[in-house]
Amino acid sequence: KNEVEQSPQNLTAQEGEFITINCSYSVGISALHWLQQHPGGGIVSLFMLSSGKKKHGRLIATINIQEKHSSLHITASHPRDSAVYICAVRAGGSEKLVFGKGTKLTVNP
Amino acid sequence: DAGVIQSPRHEVTEMGQEVTLRCKPISGHNSLFWYRQTMMRGLELLIYFNNNVPIDDSGMPEDRFSAKMPNASFSTLKIQPSEPRDSAVYFCASSLNPGQLNYGYTFGSGTRLTVV
Repeated sequence: KNEVEQSPQNLTAQEGEFITINCSYSVGISALHWLQQHPGGGIVSLFMLSSGKKKHGRLIATINIQEKHSSLHITASHPRDSAVYICAVRAGGSEKLVFGKGTKLTVNP
Repeated sequence: DAGVIQSPRHEVTEMGQEVTLRCKPISGHNSLFWYRQTMMRGLELLIYFNNNVPIDDSGMPEDRFSAKMPNASFSTLKIQPSEPRDSAVYFCASSLNPGQLNYGYTFGSGTRLTVV
C-alpha cells in the first residue's frame, strides 16, 4: 500500500464546477504539499500546509491531521485548471517528499 | 531569480552511454533534491543534499547512478552506463530549510531522458 493515496485518479468536469481532490496518508508528517503539473511537464508548488486551511485565489487546501487527510478544492473551475495535481507529504524529521500518484483533472469548456 | 535551472531539457542517448544531468538551485537555498518521474512509478526521490552534503541516497537505483554537489550553486546526476529503463523525466528541486523549518520547494523544468 502506498504511503500517500489520492482520489480520484482521473476527473473530468465542466467549466464552472466545484472540484475536490482527496489525499490520504499513513505516516506522521511535518507538512503536506499540493503540486500542479501541466501537460508541458513543469511542476509548481501550490500549497504547503501542516494544519487548517489555506486559500489562494480559486484554490483552497485543507488538512485534518488526526484523520491523516487533505483535500484540494477548486471553485469555478476553468479549462486552464486542467493539469495533474499531486499530493506529497514530508515525513516528520525528514526533508524528503513522498508523492501520491496524482489526479489528472480535465476541465471542459 | 531565474528559478531552478536544469540542463539539458531533452536528452536522447544510446544504451551504454554516459549521461550527465545538471542543476543550478535557487541562490540561497540550502537543500537540493533529485527526483525521477515515470508513468509506472510516478515521482520518486533519488537523492537529496543539505548544505552540499548528501543526506539520503536510498532512492538511487543502483551503482550506475551517482550524484555530486561540488558547491552550493551546482549539482550533477550521472548515469553510467545508461539503460533503456532509465528513460524518464528527471527533476531537480531546491528549498530553504533552516533547521526543522521548510519554506517549500521550487522545481526545475525537468530533463526528459530517452535511452534507446
